[in-house]
Amino acid sequence: GEDVEQSLFLSVREGDSSVINCTYTDSSSTYLYWYKQEPGAGLQLLTYIFSNMDMKQDQRLTVLLNKKDKHLSLRIADTQTGDSAIYFCATRHSGGYNKLIFGAGTRLAVHP
Amino acid sequence: DAGITQSPRHKVTETGTPVTLRCHQTENHRYMYWYRQDPGHGLRLIHYSYGVKDTDKGEVSDGYSVSRSKTEDFLLTLESATSSQTSVYFCAIRPGLAGGHSYEQYFGPGTRLTVT
Repeated sequence: GEDVEQSLFLSVREGDSSVINCTYTDSSSTYLYWYKQEPGAGLQLLTYIFSNMDMKQDQRLTVLLNKKDKHLSLRIADTQTGDSAIYFCATRHSGGYNKLIFGAGTRLAVHP
Repeated sequence: DAGITQSPRHKVTETGTPVTLRCHQTENHRYMYWYRQDPGHGLRLIHYSYGVKDTDKGEVSDGYSVSRSKTEDFLLTLESATSSQTSVYFCAIRPGLAGGHSYEQYFGPGTRLTVT
C-alpha cells in the first residue's frame, strides 16, 4: 500500500535554515501537505503543494517537490524556537474519500 | 480555527468498558474523519464519514465503530476498550469543494485515551 517516510529527528541552531524531508510511494498523489504539531495540540496545516508544481514559497516556508524521485521537502528559513514541533508530511490518497496518508513525523528541535 | 471540538479531552478507562468520543463541528462540513496517533506511526485513519449516516472504514477500524446522525457530530465508539487502544484520537474535517480544491483537512485538539 501507500507509504510516506520521514526522518524522525532534526536539530538546528536558531537562525539557521531547517530542511525536513519526506519520501512517498504513491505516484498518483495529487496534493501533498505539511502539518505542524506543537506539544499537546492538534495538527495545524502549514502549507500544501499541488503535484503539477515543483516549488511553493510562503513567507519563511519553501516546499520543494521532486515527482520523479517522489521526494518532498520543507525548508524553514531563519528557524526560531517557536518552530520547535513535530512536522508531518501527508499525501492525498489517489482513491477513496480524500484519505490522507501521513508520515511518522519529524521532531524539530531548535537550540540557541 | 475550523470550529472543531472534541470531548472529552482526556479519559482513563478500564479494559472491557465501552467508550464514546465525540467530535463536534460548527461549519456544516460534509466530510469528517477519525484518526489515532501513536509514536512512530504518525496518524492512521480509523473511520470516516461523507454525510449523515454515510460512513466507511479506514485502515485501522477493528474494535471501533462510528455513527453520524447529525451533520455536526461524529461519534467514535470503542465497544470494549483494550490496552492497545490507548492513544491520542483526532477528529478532522474537510471543507467542501467550493473555490479551490486543495482537499486539505483540519484537525480538532485531540482526545488522550488511556485504557488500564
